[in-house]
Amino acid sequence: DIVMTQSPDSLAVSLGERATINCKSSQSVLYSSDNKNYLTWYQQKPGQPPKMIIYWASTRESGVPDRFSGSGSGTDFTLTISSLQAEDVAVYYCQQYYTTPLTFGGGTKVEIK
Amino acid sequence: EVQLVESGGGLVQPGRSLRLSCAASGFTFDDYAMHWVRQAPGKGLEWVSGISWNSGRTDYADSVKGRFTISRDNAKNSLYLQMNSLTTEDTALYYCAKGALPAAILNFPFDYWGQGTLVTVSS
Repeated sequence: DIVMTQSPDSLAVSLGERATINCKSSQSVLYSSDNKNYLTWYQQKPGQPPKMIIYWASTRESGVPDRFSGSGSGTDFTLTISSLQAEDVAVYYCQQYYTTPLTFGGGTKVEIK
Repeated sequence: EVQLVESGGGLVQPGRSLRLSCAASGFTFDDYAMHWVRQAPGKGLEWVSGISWNSGRTDYADSVKGRFTISRDNAKNSLYLQMNSLTTEDTALYYCAKGALPAAILNFPFDYWGQGTLVTVSS
């Protein structure tokens, strides 16, 4: 199974500042035949189901603000919120869909400092 | 508008069974793989099972393999999860989730999720 490790577990960022979340997979999720990273990011606000915000590691889902960006390849990935807004308070999860079992990172809780 | 509505959760004793359902609407159900994902209280997300558009492929997390069975009825736009031999470790909110792209494979992220149905396993 591919193990997804996120860091940090939580972070507190001032409004308007940058938030950076890391995700590392135990093996590469870059599929050589299509050169795509099978990695997605979800945002889960309290009491709500998760919402997909980034897929293919760096493609923003429709309607997601451009302050959210994803980067990385192979085994190391990053979700960046360039200017944190109050509505971004949530837990963020990375997930690989390269192979089953599909696996999630442990989550990173983002709060306002 | 895509809607996924789970039902069938509740309180059940260890060793007993439960069947979850997910009613889908707002998209061509039989074009997409579907999945169950669970979240224990205060914990992270765990993929439980997935099924391809035509039921030709199913897959399970090791933690439920041999105890849970996923199925679908495309005529009824419905997804199911039969859960047998339940343990306290299965206590969680169970989400139904839709694969993001029409395909026969399970290897896509989830673009829509239901609100979940709570399963509590306790004596």
